[in-house]
Amino acid sequence: GAGVSQSPSNKVTEKGKDVELRCDPISGHTALYWYRQRLGQGLEFLIYFQGNSAPDKSGLPSDRFSAERTGESVSTLTIQRTQQEDSAVYLCASSGQPNQPQHFGDGTRLSIL
Amino acid sequence: DAKTTQPPSMDCAEGRAANLPCNHSTISGNEYVYWYRQIHSQGPQYIIHGLKNNETNEMASLIITEDRKSSTLILPHATLRDTAVYYCIVRFWGMTTDSWGKFQFGAGTQVVVTP
Repeated sequence: GAGVSQSPSNKVTEKGKDVELRCDPISGHTALYWYRQRLGQGLEFLIYFQGNSAPDKSGLPSDRFSAERTGESVSTLTIQRTQQEDSAVYLCASSGQPNQPQHFGDGTRLSIL
Repeated sequence: DAKTTQPPSMDCAEGRAANLPCNHSTISGNEYVYWYRQIHSQGPQYIIHGLKNNETNEMASLIITEDRKSSTLILPHATLRDTAVYYCIVRFWGMTTDSWGKFQFGAGTQVVVTP
């Protein structure tokens, strides 16, 4: 499709398990962002990839969180040893040239039991 | 990136214009103003952006003050489907891609359009 695709759309897992979330950005978009949104809250920036530059990881809340991106394609966000406070919707967005805005996926709803 | 200040909520009557204010008093010359909205359970949706000139598209108009310290998003004829949280964001654009700032979302304004 033409939009940002995220998978899975929903994930339920037990506390302590590792999870991996996937984002397929719009083809050709050089920038990719991950955000977290807890219930009833605003978007919390996690990490930002821009082309071949070193990613901006300043928003990652702990060393249990990591993300990778291969070139200008797929990105994965990994959460190790999940905790209940990790329950949230994880949103991915991509953007292209400077005069183009971000486009968001519909997110992955993560529930930690 | 400069911070923005928005009212937490506002109501608007269906069919009337909705004027959403945003204060960004510390904005710098290379920071653009973006507006997004988020309808319940969906990812945020881009609305409009601008630097210093007023902008209009099929969704809305963006009015930026001459000193660029504030802006107003105008939804000309609000409908019930415009009920959403509206986010005002400023973002730095440098000359090279690796200097582009990240989008930082605040709490936004919850807009409720009533019949």
